Amino acid sequence: DAKTTQPNSMESNEEEPVHLPCNHSTISGTDYIHWYRQLPSQGPEYVIHGLTSNVNNRMASLAIAEDRKSSTLILHRATLRDAAVYYCILRDVSGGSNYKLTFGKGTLLTVNP
Amino acid sequence: AAGVIQSPRHLIKEKRETATLKCYPIPRHDTVYWYQQGPGQDPQFLISFYEKMQSDKGSIPDRFSAQQFSDYHSELNMSSLELGDSALYFCASSFGSGAYTGELFFGEGSRLTVL
Repeated sequence: DAKTTQPNSMESNEEEPVHLPCNHSTISGTDYIHWYRQLPSQGPEYVIHGLTSNVNNRMASLAIAEDRKSSTLILHRATLRDAAVYYCILRDVSGGSNYKLTFGKGTLLTVNP
Repeated sequence: AAGVIQSPRHLIKEKRETATLKCYPIPRHDTVYWYQQGPGQDPQFLISFYEKMQSDKGSIPDRFSAQQFSDYHSELNMSSLELGDSALYFCASSFGSGAYTGELFFGEGSRLTVL
């Protein structure tokens, strides 16, 4: 699986935007970019995913670089409940049933009140 | 909305004992994934099932086995437990391998403690 690189930790203030970067220089054409987050003592939770175009949903926005070698998860107004570990994951959907998520080292986001 | 149900939520076992964890996927979901998360670690993929057949295998020890039943629920059986098996075990489900929805739904986990 292609690898991703994220900062170990980031800090934000409540109600401010947060930009969480992810580098994936070896991404292939069939890799979707997924973001999950894990709140303390909970299972991972889907945030957003995309292939080439920027994506928006009720939780966040995903900005994908034109060469797809990096992406940024944007939380428009961080709240205390957004404090979590955020995982950027590449998911190859080129064939077969190998659609598992492979978690790497995510970014621990701390939100200050 | 119904979520992924895991049981038991907490389990304490002695070394060399056996444990069984159960996972009930979201209704209509046909794919189940098992993950292990040790203390301070990231979730590690163990095994997955699609339509009751094993679809992928990760770093699952030979002492562990799993299956998916006709009602799509899944069980993870762990034998000859070791101290290092103490972890949170997550089950996730998706529909049609989640290839196009992109979304896996995770349960709240089963915490196994081996003494």
